[in-house]
Amino acid sequence: AQSVAQPEDQVNVAEGNPLTVKCTYSVSGNPYLFWYVQYPNRGLQFLLKYITGDNLVKGSYGFEAEFNKSQTSFHLKKPSALVSDSALYFCAVRAENSGYSTLTFGKGTMLLVSP
Amino acid sequence: DAGVTQSPTHLIKTRGQQVTLRCSPKSGHDTVSWYQQALGQGPQFIFQYYEEEERQRGNFPDRFSGHQYPNYSSELNVNALLLGDSALYLCASSRAGTRTEAFFGQGTRLTVV
Repeated sequence: AQSVAQPEDQVNVAEGNPLTVKCTYSVSGNPYLFWYVQYPNRGLQFLLKYITGDNLVKGSYGFEAEFNKSQTSFHLKKPSALVSDSALYFCAVRAENSGYSTLTFGKGTMLLVSP
Repeated sequence: DAGVTQSPTHLIKTRGQQVTLRCSPKSGHDTVSWYQQALGQGPQFIFQYYEEEERQRGNFPDRFSGHQYPNYSSELNVNALLLGDSALYLCASSRAGTRTEAFFGQGTRLTVV
């Protein structure tokens, strides 16, 4: 069975400061990893993914994430936070060797960026 | 490209009733997955449809059923509604056999009273 842990319910950061939202995973075989963002009463919006290759992946709106296989982590980062980044962030995983594209999500981390 | 569209956006039903939610996938996508997102939780996988068949199912009772049409659109049906079925129901579409990400609709907020 695969699982995702997001250890922080909420992350608070001041605008202009760097941010990190943590994610660890468990999966059989190689992982495909994803970050999605959700604004109030909306669906999930794709930010970035790791499939293979460079461990540092860049995505939308200046976000990036670092894949660390030894630590089974895929932390989301941004060098300079904006107030508009405040939202709910979900990390998700699927197994490379799975014939299906179903995702397992973490419980989410609320990011609050203060002016 | 309209992306993934879901209808209705909001729905209020009474316990014991039945409900049908609808989803049209993103253009070029052939696989539809449904997720339930309870308040304060991450999305939980319900089932996935491909080639008009249910291909994989999560840990949900048989009260939850679905269908996929030849145009790849899909329906989620829930029978004998319980208060605990109140949630945001998300539809995600993807393209089978690829590494592309799933695209999500805006969801249907179901409230059972």
